[in-house]
This record gives sequence, structure tokens and C-alpha cells, in this order.
Amino acid sequence: NAGVTQTPKFQVLKTGQSMTLQCAQDMNHEYMSWYRQDPGMGLRLIHYSVGAGITDQGEVPNGYNVSRSTTEDFPLRLLSAAPSQTSVYFCASSYSVASGEEMGELFFGEGSRLTVL
Amino acid sequence: DQQVKQNSPSLSVQEGRISILNCDYTNSMFDYFLWYKKYPAEGPTFLISISSIKDKNEDGRFTVFLNKSAKHLSLHIVPSQPGDSAVYFCAARPYGGATNKLIFGTGTLLAVQP
Repeated sequence: NAGVTQTPKFQVLKTGQSMTLQCAQDMNHEYMSWYRQDPGMGLRLIHYSVGAGITDQGEVPNGYNVSRSTTEDFPLRLLSAAPSQTSVYFCASSYSVASGEEMGELFFGEGSRLTVL
Repeated sequence: DQQVKQNSPSLSVQEGRISILNCDYTNSMFDYFLWYKKYPAEGPTFLISISSIKDKNEDGRFTVFLNKSAKHLSLHIVPSQPGDSAVYFCAARPYGGATNKLIFGTGTLLAVQP
């Protein structure tokens, strides 16, 4: 069972370089999201999508772009990497439920560790 | 401004004893609260949740308590096992908005000593 797959697992960039973190899920989930984990900060939401063609900003969207052209894929783009973007990035997906309905479980990938020098 | 707070970065308990992990939130606009567990080099995994209209939810060794007047959430693990050693995140879902958009706390590292 693949679940949520993130690539690459590790990446080192120089300041100003661009790159894309890939995320794919095979569970036909409508909802996908990106979080970053930093020491003492927990998990912070970067961007999310409630379906193909629909994206929105989370708590810390600056410096990141996303798109959702298919249900399965939700790439995260860093256009000009900065040392402050050194972090572990997690992609997560779930079924969508109506507002107020019981939460669907959020499934996470294994993470992508990014270092920006 | 941290809306969901876990003030204890770490907790150490003996195997077989109770582990109590705490979480506070700063506003009342959440309808679901959840706990996630994370092992090193893995993604977080769902543990247990509670609706804001309830005050307790139990699943095996894990019980979550919600005190709305105090804006406080706790996770009890009884009995604690060495395999429970992990980072525990509490999370809250805001009313309305995106369906599974979660706000996470900073995490508590639980160490269960054999």
C-alpha cells in the first residue's frame, strides 16, 4: 500500500535555487496539504487543496507555490530557496467531509528533509 | 500567535504507569480535536479524536479528555509501553473552512522507560 509518497526524502539547496517537492497519493483523497515541521514550532500548514484545480494558503505560505492539476498529485514549489526554508516537509491527504462532520483521518507521507545553505 | 499549545516539550514515565499529555488552545472556534503520534523519520499517524460536543473519548489504552471551559485537552495512556515512546502532537480543526485543515501544537516527546 503506497498511501502518500513524497520525493525526494533529502535535498540540499543553495540560497536562490528553485526546486519542487513531489507528493502523490493513491487513495483518491480530495483533500491534500503541505506542512513544515521546525523545532519548537510543531507542524505549520503551508498550503492546502480541497480538490483538483483548487488551492488555498495556510499559516505560512510565503515563498511557496502549489498547484493541483490532478487528484493524485500536489507538488510544492520553492521558487527561490532561503535558509529560513530549511525544514522537514510533510504532505498529507484525506477524504473531504462537510463542515461540521466528523474528521476524516489525515494520512501523512514520510517527510522530505530540506537544507538550504 | 500559537492557537494550540503544548507547554511540556518532553515527558518521561515508567513502563506500566500512566502518561498524561496536555494541550491548551486559545479560542473556542474549533470543532474537533485530535492527537497524532510521530516516530523519528516517519510521518505523523492519527491516534484519537474528540468532537467539541463531547468531554471524553476512549480507544483501548488511549483516552482523550476535553475541558471546554478551561480550553484544555489531555491524552491519557494507560498502561504506558516502551513502544509508545514518540512525539505526540495535539491538533484542532477550526469551525467551517476547509474540511481537514488542522492547527497543530508544538509536540511533546514521550519517553517510556522499561
